[in-house]
Amino acid sequence: GAVVSQHPSWVICKSGTSVKIECRSLDFQATTMFWYRQFPKQSLMLMATSNEGSKATYEQGVEKDKFLINHASLTLSTLTVTSAHPEDSSFYICSASPLRQGFGEKLFFGSGTQLSVL
Amino acid sequence: SQQGEEDPQALSIQEGENATMNCSYKTSINNLQWYRQNSGRGLVHLILIRSNEREKHSGRLRVTLDTSKKSSSLLITASRAADTASYFCATDARGNNRLAFGKGNQVVVIP
Repeated sequence: GAVVSQHPSWVICKSGTSVKIECRSLDFQATTMFWYRQFPKQSLMLMATSNEGSKATYEQGVEKDKFLINHASLTLSTLTVTSAHPEDSSFYICSASPLRQGFGEKLFFGSGTQLSVL
Repeated sequence: SQQGEEDPQALSIQEGENATMNCSYKTSINNLQWYRQNSGRGLVHLILIRSNEREKHSGRLRVTLDTSKKSSSLLITASRAADTASYFCATDARGNNRLAFGKGNQVVVIP
């Protein structure tokens, strides 16, 4: 099956620093990748849709200058949490939609990144 | 916006029993999917049922879809301890190019 690699799995950083999270599709190309945030025992909250070669589309209430997304190739999308603060501590998950697969079809997820900001 | 909304109760069952969880949604959909999430991990796709399907099976999983009631159910038969996880439904609303995930249903299977 299709594999999505996300790392780091966990990161602890000081307040004010920036953290980059990578999401790679290992054996398929993904035109679209999605970034989610998840609080303990809650559902996934879509943050943004990342499209290869174009600007990401952010959901309402998500600061695009705070959460920088780059989707430079068909196999890699990155999320950078800039000037992280304790309230940014959360579990971040990416997912990828294979090239030529229609929207709303099966997604492949990374294993998530637990961010803790001190 | 959250479309899929599972019944919020956590489910605790004995190994070998069946586990059933439900999901309701609000708008017209193209398909509905169920995902599983182990604690601290990403989601794994379990099954997809299209709007013109009423029931689908995959191994020990059985999914039903009632578009008139805008609801779906996921049944896990002969549960195993390894089935302990959170289960999410996700809907693809027509005209909306992204999935909306429900609140999730935590299932604990006791050996």
